Amino acid sequence: NAGVTQTPKFRILKIGQSMTLQCAQDMNHNYMYWYRQDPGMGLKLIYYSVGAGITDKGEVPNGYNVSRSTTEDFPLRLELAAPSQTSVYFCASSYSSRALGGEQFFGPGTRLTVL
Amino acid sequence: GQQLNQSPQSMFIQEGEDVSMNCTSSSIFNTWLWYKQDPGEGPVLLIALYKAGELTSNGRLTAQFGTTRKDSFLNISASIPSDVGIYFCAGSNQAGTALIFGKGTTLSVSS
Repeated sequence: NAGVTQTPKFRILKIGQSMTLQCAQDMNHNYMYWYRQDPGMGLKLIYYSVGAGITDKGEVPNGYNVSRSTTEDFPLRLELAAPSQTSVYFCASSYSSRALGGEQFFGPGTRLTVL
Repeated sequence: GQQLNQSPQSMFIQEGEDVSMNCTSSSIFNTWLWYKQDPGEGPVLLIALYKAGELTSNGRLTAQFGTTRKDSFLNISASIPSDVGIYFCAGSNQAGTALIFGKGTTLSVSS
């Protein structure tokens, strides 16, 4: 199992550009999440999904969009990049019925800089 | 919203020492999780706690779910250099709709 994979690992964007952060998991988990991590801070939930076709906002959803067309993939879209979106983005997935409060498995992260 | 206060913010210890860190909240959590993050990597789950009062060990790590459901602690015994990293506590809110993370404890171990 590859677990949770994320691409790209690093990216530099100009203000106003758009991009999609890719996330995939091969553990057949129904639940998937996107977090951002700023220096010295914990992780903040951006969006989550409880299954294909179902997504919902987390704590900091503004400026982002998600879709979940398959169980495996959960891409995160930035439409108009802003410097405030400079961060490290982590995708995670989980399987248990305690999913949203349960054992989440994380990808290696995407480091995004917006200049 | 719900917040977790994690302390200490950082620790500098000698190899072989024991370490203790904790998380507190003003509100009740149903689940407490402890994660470790190595530089440039995503967090990795160390211990999950699901019942108030529960004490769970994973090798040299021991964690407890506080009886009030508002706190948890993590102990590391006989630290080694590979224990270096950032340790995060996380708790599930009562609605079960989100995992709230603390800001982390950065551990440095000198040999």
